[in-house]
Amino acid sequence: AQSVSQHNHHVILSEAASLELGCNYSYGGTVNLFWYVQYPGQHLQLLLKYFSGDPLVKGIKGFEAEFIKSKFSFNLRKPSVQWSDTAEYFCAGANYNTDKLIFGTGTRLQVFP
Amino acid sequence: EPEVTQTPSHQVTQMGQEVILRCVPISNHLYFYWYRQILGQKVEFLVSFYNNEISEKSEIFDDQFSVERPDGSNFTLKIRSTKLEDSAMYFCARAGTSTDTQYFGPGTRLTVL
Repeated sequence: AQSVSQHNHHVILSEAASLELGCNYSYGGTVNLFWYVQYPGQHLQLLLKYFSGDPLVKGIKGFEAEFIKSKFSFNLRKPSVQWSDTAEYFCAGANYNTDKLIFGTGTRLQVFP
Repeated sequence: EPEVTQTPSHQVTQMGQEVILRCVPISNHLYFYWYRQILGQKVEFLVSFYNNEISEKSEIFDDQFSVERPDGSNFTLKIRSTKLEDSAMYFCARAGTSTDTQYFGPGTRLTVL
């Protein structure tokens, strides 16, 4: 069955620390992958997406993610986090022939000044 | 980022009552979706809707649920007879194509007493 898993449920960092949030997927065939962010009290916003091409994807606010097919992973990274990055981060995937997004459980990131 | 608005922001209802959640996509996008997130759980796909028809639905989307776009603008989710376990955050999303980014609304928090 198709699934997306996020192993980090809660991450606490100090400002300027580097961030890596794990995301693994289990899909057969071509997959489209996404990272969404939900800031406190706000709606889900797209950070970045991978459809095809360069496996290193750059998104907004200095975030990037790398699609590693051999590891079924799409980890989110940021070299230096800020207090304003405090939010919940969701990895999601969709098989190429469907638009149904399957979400991971989310990772709550807290950044302290 | 194009907007999606949802009304109401919070709905409290008694078990067995009907509720209608509304989504107003501020664009000419044609693909619409409903997702829900039960507190503490992952975001789950409910249904996708295109050209006034359901494209795909999950096993959650049983006979108690229905969707329509009655006036060509508002996209509604109706729950005919609410159950306690329907309490969740309901998100509407829309996209320009079936493989395009899905843009989410702020959600409606449904509380069933």
